[in-house]
This record gives sequence, structure tokens and C-alpha cells, in this order.
Amino acid sequence: DAGVIQSPRHEVTEMGQEVTLRCKPISGHDYLFWYRQTMMRGLELLIYFNNNVPIDDSGMPEDRFSAKMPNASFSTLKIQPSEPRDSAVYFCASSWGQGSNQPQHFGDGTRLSIL
Amino acid sequence: AQSVAQPEDQVNVAEGNPLTVKCTYSVSGNPYLFWYVQYPNRGLQFLLKYITGDNLVKGSYGFEAEFNKSQTSFHLKKPSALVSDSALYFCAVRDAGRGYQKVTFGTGTKLQVIP
Repeated sequence: DAGVIQSPRHEVTEMGQEVTLRCKPISGHDYLFWYRQTMMRGLELLIYFNNNVPIDDSGMPEDRFSAKMPNASFSTLKIQPSEPRDSAVYFCASSWGQGSNQPQHFGDGTRLSIL
Repeated sequence: AQSVAQPEDQVNVAEGNPLTVKCTYSVSGNPYLFWYVQYPNRGLQFLLKYITGDNLVKGSYGFEAEFNKSQTSFHLKKPSALVSDSALYFCAVRDAGRGYQKVTFGTGTKLQVIP
């Protein structure tokens, strides 16, 4: 089975540029999560979707961040404009089922560096 | 509100010795508990979970965890550590109440197995 696929794996860009991170969840999973990991803050949940609908975006840092899930196979996290403090590893994860006892399956992340 | 604590930033153990990585939690209802492992430049990988039933849960790679309700703990254990077990370990908790609840992750414990 293919796992959660994220692209790109690495992104280096200059401050002020738009950044788009992409995620393909595991087929059949109906929950999708975006996380950010830094040394200072650890693992932070940014937003999660259920059946392509955003459920909780309270972790999104500010209006510069936006996420979409146009269909069950694809999600994007966009930062516009980007700032150096956005540098982090961004993970996408997916899970199955209404039952909340299912584990999340993580992609290998996008390492984002904003210069 | 739910929370999870991993009191040790790092645990060092000699190869072949038993290892324990500690986790305590707080939820208002019954907990669903998870352990994940993260290797360098990889996403989190699910190891094991406690839902209900036996307090000793067995998982991947020879790991097990013991659920202790009175102490609100869910420590990760392995009888004999391998150098390849060196990684970052995350405990996570979710309230098993009605509806979908977000997972709360701990800050992670770095396990170093010394040859």
C-alpha cells in the first residue's frame, strides 16, 4: 500500500514568496491532518479535514496560511507571503473512520526553509 | 482538556538492556493512547495503541506498553534494546468520548541506544 505522499520533500525560497505544499492521503482515509514540527514548538496541529471539509483550523498561525482539500485524494497547504519564522518541517497525516481509536499515518514531510 | 507529558527529553540505554520511555496523560473521560516513533528525516510511524482491555499492549518491533489507570501512565517498554531503536518517540492521547477529538502529542523523547 502506498503511504501518505507529500511533495516537495524540500523547499527553499525567499521571504515574501508563495509556498504550496501538497499531500496525497492514503486511499480510503477520510481524515486528513496538517502538522508543523519545529525544535522550539514540537509538533503542532494546524488544521484537519473530514470528508474534504475543514473541521478545525484553530491551529493555523495566521491569515497567511490556508489549506484546501478539493477532493479525497489531494490537499494543499499554502503560505502567502512566506516569512523566515515559517521555516519548519510540515507533515500531512491521514486516518480512517469515525472511531477515534484509529492511528494516524504520516507522510515523510516537507522541509521548508524561508530565507 | 487533554494533555500528555513525556518527562524525559532523552533516555540513554546500553544495547541489550531493557528500555522504558515514560508517558503520563490527562483526559476527562477514558483515554485512547498511542505511541509513535520518528526516525531522522521521516514522518511519525505508529507503534501501538491502547483502546480497552488488557493493560499490556504489544506493538511493532518488539515494543510493548503498559497502561496504568491509577497512575495515568502509558510507558513504552522493550526487553532488549537495539542500536536501531535509536529514534524520537512520541506518546499521544485522545479522549474516547463522543465524537471525534483531536489527538494531543507529547513533546517527544529521544532514545539513544549505546553499542
